[in-house]
Amino acid sequence: QSALTQPRSVSGSPGQSVTISCTGTSSDVGRYNYVSWYQQHPGKAPKLIIYAVNNRPSGVPDRFSGSKSGNTASLTISGLQAEDEADYYCCSYAGSYTMIFGGGTKLTV
Amino acid sequence: EVELVESGGGLVQPGGSLRLSCAASGFTFDTFYMSWVRQAPGKGLEWVANINQDGSEKSYVDAVKGRFTISRDNAKNSLFMQLNSLRAEDTAVYYCARPRAPRVADPYDCWGQGTLVTVSS
Repeated sequence: QSALTQPRSVSGSPGQSVTISCTGTSSDVGRYNYVSWYQQHPGKAPKLIIYAVNNRPSGVPDRFSGSKSGNTASLTISGLQAEDEADYYCCSYAGSYTMIFGGGTKLTV
Repeated sequence: EVELVESGGGLVQPGGSLRLSCAASGFTFDTFYMSWVRQAPGKGLEWVANINQDGSEKSYVDAVKGRFTISRDNAKNSLFMQLNSLRAEDTAVYYCARPRAPRVADPYDCWGQGTLVTVSS
């Protein structure tokens, strides 16, 4: 049950795009399309921004998109805005009724 | 409005116990799996435990197996977790979380505000 692997930090300028990777194994990310992404601002609870690899909950801007290839999922944020500065976590179903999160990525805008 | 409110956190000595509670409202509680997720200070999120709708299926992260017990009371719309044999590494904010759909693999679209557990002598 090791955490999914994410870069510790990424950065971008307003208006640019950034991509955050999330690498797992054939037992979690590679096996299931239950990959989700969360945004967390300091002192706040996480907020779901992508589910089932590439679906956005209502209210989440279409600047946020997800994808998956093999054992690696990715979150792309286009048209960066100042309020996108936050920590981002991926999460995958890992079978046997368990979930696993990534270590988190700090986005600096 | 869907709401989850945790309580029960606090300061406890190593080896001690605590019982966390999560009061749910605004949705049909007994139709959803429920989970606990924790976050150590300055660290990432860690899934801790799941419980199915009627409490008959439970799963845990290896780090807490045999020490933590998740349970629920559907009549009181409440989720619980008994934390025993606490260690310093259990220090974290513990969140109650509800998946967006009544499936164990579904992601969490509703989170409580969290309750802080500090294990220290």
